[in-house]
Amino acid sequence: DIQMTQSPSSLSASVGDRVTITCRASQSISSYLNWYQQKPGKAPKLLIYAASSLQSGVPSRFSGSGSGTDFTLTISSLQPEDFATYYCQQSYSTPRTFGQGTRLEIK
Amino acid sequence: QVQLQESGPGLVKPSGTLSLTCAVSGGSISSSNWWSWVRQPPGKGLEWIGEIYHSGSTNYNPSLKSRVTISVDKSKNQFSLKLSSVTAADTAVYYCARGGSGAAQDAFDIWGQGTMVTVSS
Repeated sequence: DIQMTQSPSSLSASVGDRVTITCRASQSISSYLNWYQQKPGKAPKLLIYAASSLQSGVPSRFSGSGSGTDFTLTISSLQPEDFATYYCQQSYSTPRTFGQGTRLEIK
Repeated sequence: QVQLQESGPGLVKPSGTLSLTCAVSGGSISSSNWWSWVRQPPGKGLEWIGEIYHSGSTNYNPSLKSRVTISVDKSKNQFSLKLSSVTAADTAVYYCARGGSGAAQDAFDIWGQGTMVTVSS
């Protein structure tokens, strides 16, 4: 199985801050990396697919980069609605695997 | 647009079988997509259970493979999950999700709202 490791596990930030979350795969996954946002009691929501493609309807302050084993999710200017938990996930092979999540909290 | 809706018992007895169905609306289950089950224990992260294609081809998480069966019913436009020999460790919110096609590279682009299943006597 491909292991996905996110850092940090939690993060405190303020509205307007620029935030970066990283995700590392245990082996190369090319660009088969996706990012999700999950709010309490809700299903995850796809933000970024194929490492850097913005899902339709997702604000442009979200961006993704990387390839191979190292990836990042960047939120350019945090908005109040962005405080949530973020997961990376590889779709390179089965079993599909997720990172452990990064909880983004209000400072 | 495509929507997914999980249904099934919210309480299952230990050693029993968990059975859930995901109804697909606004689109066809016979489209070029894989259909997955993902679960999330309370307060924990996401775990992929397995996926099915409309042809009936399946892939399962090796950690659950011996207990999992995913099936498709094209006539009802739905797919189902059966998880046998359940224990308290199987207590979780269970989501169905669609794997995106083409450039989306199997990202889970559509999710059901999730259904909580508790394993308890």
